Amino acid sequence: KQEVTQIPAALSVPEGENLVLNCSFTDSAIYNLQWFRQDPGKGLTSLLLIQSSQREQTSGRLNASLDKSSGRSTLYIAASQPGDSATYLCAVGTYWTGGSYIPTFGRGTSLIVHP
Amino acid sequence: IAGITQAPTSQILAAGRRMTLRCTQDMRHNAMYWYRQDLGLGLRLIHYSNTAGTTGKGEVPDGYSVSRANTDDFPLTLASAVPSQTSVYFCASSAGGPDNEQFFGPGTRLTVL
Repeated sequence: KQEVTQIPAALSVPEGENLVLNCSFTDSAIYNLQWFRQDPGKGLTSLLLIQSSQREQTSGRLNASLDKSSGRSTLYIAASQPGDSATYLCAVGTYWTGGSYIPTFGRGTSLIVHP
Repeated sequence: IAGITQAPTSQILAAGRRMTLRCTQDMRHNAMYWYRQDLGLGLRLIHYSNTAGTTGKGEVPDGYSVSRANTDDFPLTLASAVPSQTSVYFCASSAGGPDNEQFFGPGTRLTVL
């Protein structure tokens, strides 16, 4: 069974800092990894998707990397802003029996960026 | 606007009552999912469907049932609600396959008393 861990569970930083959020997984036979953002009381918003054959993806100030062999992904946030405050979740896509593609979620990193 | 809608937004329900949470997507996605999100436990998969007419059990399926009569709709039914089913429920969809993102609805907050 795939297990996904996100460290740290919570993070509070001043505006302008560069951040690294970590996601580790136990089964390296994954098909993709997706990073999400969740604002309080809201649904999840997709940030980046990395396919298993890729090493990284970039979108604006966000960069996500994937190292399947070590079971790790990092989300790098450059020049953090108060609007980045949210919970960040990673979801690791794993093959289930019967050919289904099922994401397993970590518990998230709660980020606060203060002015 | 393309996306996923869920209804109701929130609901307070007496224990023992039957409840159906609705989910509709207009992206023609093959795969759909139901999750529950609880503090300290994260998102847990309840049921999923790879395509219309098929469903599968997730991590926490007991007490819940689903159907997938067509591509767009994926209702989740609680046959006899219990307090431990108090949670926030999210529906999600994906085109399916390894190179497709998963998209989420806004959620239903359910309280069972």
